[in-house]
Amino acid sequence: DTGVSQDPRHKITKRGQNVTFRCDPISEHNRLYWYRQTLGQGPEFLTYFQNEAQLEKSRLLSDRFSAERPKGSFSTLEIQRTEQGDSAMYLCASSISDRANTEAFFGQGTRLTVV
Amino acid sequence: DAKTTQPNSMESNEEEPVHLPCNHSTISGTDYIHWYRQLPSQGPEYVIHGLTSNVNNRMASLAIAEDRKSSTLILHRATLRDAAVYYCILRDRDDKIIFGKGTRLHILP
Repeated sequence: DTGVSQDPRHKITKRGQNVTFRCDPISEHNRLYWYRQTLGQGPEFLTYFQNEAQLEKSRLLSDRFSAERPKGSFSTLEIQRTEQGDSAMYLCASSISDRANTEAFFGQGTRLTVV
Repeated sequence: DAKTTQPNSMESNEEEPVHLPCNHSTISGTDYIHWYRQLPSQGPEYVIHGLTSNVNNRMASLAIAEDRKSSTLILHRATLRDAAVYYCILRDRDDKIIFGKGTRLHILP
């Protein structure tokens, strides 16, 4: 297993376009998280899944954002009608369970630039 | 919101020990204390975690105060590769992982 994989690594899009990011977690990891990180800040929580169920969405996640995890495997994060303020690094993480004594593994992220 | 408080930045000399403090005065009995670090241009990586007792692993040691309201991450011999942002996080069952601003550690050669 090569760890958490995110695709693409970089994305440049024009304002108003839709973009979709993919995250492939470590096999058999039940929990999957999405974060957004801007320069100089810590990762901000966006949403998380337990298998295919979306447990919570941050208030940061406007109606333009949607995330799915069909069949409890890979996940996608879609941003509709992108705005310049959406420019950030989008990070995905997975963990084997919801137990608090387990570690989360992070991907390298997708860097989005909206021009 | 993050439930921990950390200094914004710290400096240390290469090959010397580093003690990174974290305050978590509102910690509950079931919260685990986790540390992650983020190297430049990379995603965060797990460092260590503990509940009540001090913990050691190949990367670092975690010293937890007796009242659990503070903890210290110890890097025994810092190298230039340890320059990163270090995050102290409290985790409870079913809880999402919430990051604060972390401590930016600078290592001086």
